[in-house]
Amino acid sequence: GAGVSQSPSNKVTEKGKDVELRCDPISGHTALYWYRQSLGQGLEFLIYFQGNSAPDKSGLPSDRFSAERTGGSVSTLTIQRTQQEDSAVYLCASSFGGRTYEQYFGPGTRLTVT
Amino acid sequence: DQQVKQNSPSLSVQEGRISILNCDYTNSMFDYFLWYKKYPAEGPTFLISISSIKDKNEDGRFTVFLNKSAKHLSLHIVPSQPGDSAVYFCAVREDKIIFGKGTRLHILP
Repeated sequence: GAGVSQSPSNKVTEKGKDVELRCDPISGHTALYWYRQSLGQGLEFLIYFQGNSAPDKSGLPSDRFSAERTGGSVSTLTIQRTQQEDSAVYLCASSFGGRTYEQYFGPGTRLTVT
Repeated sequence: DQQVKQNSPSLSVQEGRISILNCDYTNSMFDYFLWYKKYPAEGPTFLISISSIKDKNEDGRFTVFLNKSAKHLSLHIVPSQPGDSAVYFCAVREDKIIFGKGTRLHILP
């Protein structure tokens, strides 16, 4: 079946512009996660959605970052007023549930802020 | 401070030999550990996991060992194959996954 998909695969933007990154999780998965991998860094947790519960936003690095999940499916990560340090690969993952279920990752969106 | 540490950024191993990737963690309350494999331009894929009630889990060529007293786990790949060349991430799972920085494994022909 279809895996997690993300779009765009690559995004180049100018400093100060806003960007939106999209994630389509696996159908039926109730949990959705955003991570990012900066150059030379591990995968950093950003935000977690589980069903209708309030999202865990504890990993968002600043208030320029926000995410929403519409209809319990597709999610959009928005970065406002992008900075060069926002350049990274942004990865989305989904799972059937919370901590006891395996997370399946999408291919990521490579964001470059010039 | 890093909760999951992979101190070797890269490792080169001859094809057919054993690859050993190491990982240390800081919180003795962590109870579920995973290894992910990542190829360039792809998302990480789950490889193998281990619960804290075990000290070893084996799946084909891959074995994960857990030493709770040392807060250390390792991934053994034997025999190593060219397709094993990738970045390997050690991780612990709570509601979210906490990843290490990864170790790039090169399998030499």
